[in-house]
Amino acid sequence: GAVVSQHPSWVICKSGTSVKIECRSLDFQATTMFWYRQFPKQSLMLMATSNEGSKATYEQGVEKDKFLINHASLTLSTLTVTSAHPEDSSFYICSARGPGLAGGLRYEQYFGPGTRLTVT
Amino acid sequence: AQRVTQPEKLLSVFKGAPVELKCNYSYSGSPELFWYVQYSRQRLQLLLRHISRESIKGFTADLNKGETSFHLKKPFAQEEDSAMYYCALSYTGFQKLVFGTGTRLLVSP
Repeated sequence: GAVVSQHPSWVICKSGTSVKIECRSLDFQATTMFWYRQFPKQSLMLMATSNEGSKATYEQGVEKDKFLINHASLTLSTLTVTSAHPEDSSFYICSARGPGLAGGLRYEQYFGPGTRLTVT
Repeated sequence: AQRVTQPEKLLSVFKGAPVELKCNYSYSGSPELFWYVQYSRQRLQLLLRHISRESIKGFTADLNKGETSFHLKKPFAQEEDSAMYYCALSYTGFQKLVFGTGTRLLVSP
């Protein structure tokens, strides 16, 4: 259980266009989801926290008008990269906060497989 | 500011050798520490959390608050342990995770 999916797994778009990435919790409800960005051979950097039914909370330095996040239901959050440019090319990973498994942890973050965005 | 440091980008060992992946953190409060693992072509998954004091796949990690460390250890490495390992810190009730840069473990036969 506790599976998170992302769609698409990879996308190529032209500079200036917008791209939407979906993140779904398949077998649990997630009031909180997270969006990360990972550059090659680098760590995951948290971009924003997505809360169902309210505005996302962006990390310092992340342009909220460029990276639009919508968390309209308990199982779906979307990240839209608006007016994409080559420097936006990256690996975008979402996670969803779900029930903790055995071990006394109340919550746990479950990660999606990631979406590779290439802007040409 | 919260920070996680993993000094080794690559750790290469032979099968059966002991492994220690280093992790140091910077946080003034009481953090929750985790180790995540990413096998080739797979998603990130939780390996260990410090509050559980558990051993998963032979790996253990002890939180040392004095040294602000949370090193991951395994006495006898296996080839299937080859993967990318990330140390992470949570300071807001698991609302946010701060990741280290990761260490690639390569276990050779």
